[in-house]
Amino acid sequence: DTAVSQTPKYLVTQMGNDKSIKCEQNLGHDTMYWYKQDSKKFLKIMFSYNNKELIINETVPNRFSPKSPDKAHLNLHINSLELGDSAVYFCASSPGTASYEQYFGPGTRLTVT
Amino acid sequence: AQSVTQLGSHVSVSEGALVLLRCNYSSSVPPYLFWYVQYPNQGLQLLLKYTTGATLVKGINGFEAEFKKSETSFHLTKPSAHMSDAAEYFCAVTLRGGKLIFGQGTELSVKP
Repeated sequence: DTAVSQTPKYLVTQMGNDKSIKCEQNLGHDTMYWYKQDSKKFLKIMFSYNNKELIINETVPNRFSPKSPDKAHLNLHINSLELGDSAVYFCASSPGTASYEQYFGPGTRLTVT
Repeated sequence: AQSVTQLGSHVSVSEGALVLLRCNYSSSVPPYLFWYVQYPNQGLQLLLKYTTGATLVKGINGFEAEFKKSETSFHLTKPSAHMSDAAEYFCAVTLRGGKLIFGQGTELSVKP
């Protein structure tokens, strides 16, 4: 009965590889987000989708591409991974853009070697 | 542009003592304010929020926060700390659109 789930929880990969992180929410929410938490625990929004439409696209390298096949899923694909991409990535959802309460997933710890 | 500053990256209290975590924000319009808690290796959990109305808001686990517009502050308090309160706490602000801007986080340690 997990509200916001992410897979995988841990991801270790080498520089140059391409990887994806998946996120699913069963709350019936319209809006989903991706956040990045760096090694100093600083959290920054990357993307937001509302009903499968991209509404927030922060200054993120275009190696990062979000995809929302339906409003319950928001995946993050990363091409040509770099050492600096190592971080914890959190998915979140909210009922809508006018609803400010966001529910976070457990996070995916990405380590690039 | 809006921003959030949390004073003190690390706060240590004794069990049973008052917890006070400070948060100041900068916003050109009335903000919506939040406190989230992150336990080790877990996601963020909403503690409490201020949108409109009563400026003293109560959250889960005995925490509360007061919105003070004149001081642009939203400090988090708990009268008596528990060992289980040890975690990272984040203050956040948002305007319409749902984009959360987080503070740097404050790690709370609780000594027995």
